[in-house]
Amino acid sequence: QQQVKQSPQSLIVQKGGISIINCAYENTAFDYFPWYQQFPGKGPALLIAIRPDVSEKKEGRFTISFNKSAKQFSLHIMDSQPGDSATYFCAASVFGNTPLVFGKGTRLSVIA
Amino acid sequence: ETGVTQTPRHLVMGMTNKKSLKCEQHLGHNAMYWYKQSAKKPLELMFVYNFKEQTENNSVPSRFSPECPNSSHLFLHLHTLQPEDSALYLCASSQERGAYTGELFFGEGSRLTVL
Repeated sequence: QQQVKQSPQSLIVQKGGISIINCAYENTAFDYFPWYQQFPGKGPALLIAIRPDVSEKKEGRFTISFNKSAKQFSLHIMDSQPGDSATYFCAASVFGNTPLVFGKGTRLSVIA
Repeated sequence: ETGVTQTPRHLVMGMTNKKSLKCEQHLGHNAMYWYKQSAKKPLELMFVYNFKEQTENNSVPSRFSPECPNSSHLFLHLHTLQPEDSALYLCASSQERGAYTGELFFGEGSRLTVL
């Protein structure tokens, strides 16, 4: 119930391509879905987050798509750049009530 | 100093040693967290402190002992660790409305190796 399943484990994308990372959850009480980005040697940092009242949120080249009925959400990175190479973690929580539950992470490599 | 600062960045210790990890946040937050990050595993929440009070202990072995003397400082005292405790230990803080209310601000972590 508390798990967040993230795929793929690693991803290689050509520069300019679209990177897609998927997450699925079981706990229907979850109502906050952030994505964190971690560069080597650094701590994770919030990239973008969504609440279930909307099905999509876009910030620049980064978009979260949310499917409440399927209990899935995904991160799309448009026009992927080498500087986007990092590990991406999805997470979920009951906002204000439970700690974030993280996925295992996806290591993204964007190659020129 | 800005953000969340962790020291030391790297630590090597034997199984019989006693050491401590330190975390300091300069963001005015009142909730602080310890997470364990191991390869190919989800970030594991260890402890949560909200307004200096421990509100979460996620079944962490007693060889890990947290201390939160004030809202800006958090320690993780380590003793008689096992090699499987080798990992990156991340400290985080969040906004003063309380824990779990949004963005976590992480430090860069302390890389621990237990021999």
